[in-house]
Amino acid sequence: AQSVTQLGSHVSVSEGALVLLRCNYSSSVPPYLFWYVQYPNQGLQLLLKYTSAATLVKGINGFEAEFKKSETSFHLTKPSAHMSDAAEYFCAVSDDGGFKTIFGAGTRLFVKA
Amino acid sequence: KAGVTQTPRYLIKTRGQQVTLSCSPISGHRSVSWYQQTPGQGLQFLFEYFSETQRNKGNFPGRFSGRQFSNSRSEMNVSTLELGDSALYLCASSSDRGYTDTQYFGPGTRLTVL
Repeated sequence: AQSVTQLGSHVSVSEGALVLLRCNYSSSVPPYLFWYVQYPNQGLQLLLKYTSAATLVKGINGFEAEFKKSETSFHLTKPSAHMSDAAEYFCAVSDDGGFKTIFGAGTRLFVKA
Repeated sequence: KAGVTQTPRYLIKTRGQQVTLSCSPISGHRSVSWYQQTPGQGLQFLFEYFSETQRNKGNFPGRFSGRQFSNSRSEMNVSTLELGDSALYLCASSSDRGYTDTQYFGPGTRLTVL
């Protein structure tokens, strides 16, 4: 069964600094991985998804993630944080054939001025 | 295209009551999934419907039920509400729900049980 672990429930960075949010997955089959962002009182918005076409995936708002099979990781990065990036980020894996998505616990990103 | 809409956005109920939440997917989407989000448990899968059929369900008690109509709109019902049912309920739609499909989420319904 698939599972997702996000390392760090809270991450704080300064504006302009690198953002790195960690995600490790467990899957017995090639996974399909997603990063979502949630702003306060809103639903989730897809940032990017990995579907095996390329290991480096570029998403919206300057975010990207690299799929590393050897490390079973799919970490999310952004070179320079903006205040508007402050939100909660969820890594997720799609259950193969089970018609459901399994989410990590989430990482709340704080951006300091 | 209009996004996923959920009604109502906020709801306050008391223990023992029942509640029905509604979700209208993006036009053309036939798959609707429901999730419960709480600070303690995070995002948990409730169930998924496709063309009026439930294809999968999560580990929730039978008090949680759902259905999908022929126009793909979906409702979920929670009977005999408990305090622990207080949560943000999110609905997501996708075109088919092949597991590479992107799910588009609505803003959620925040349910408070007193």
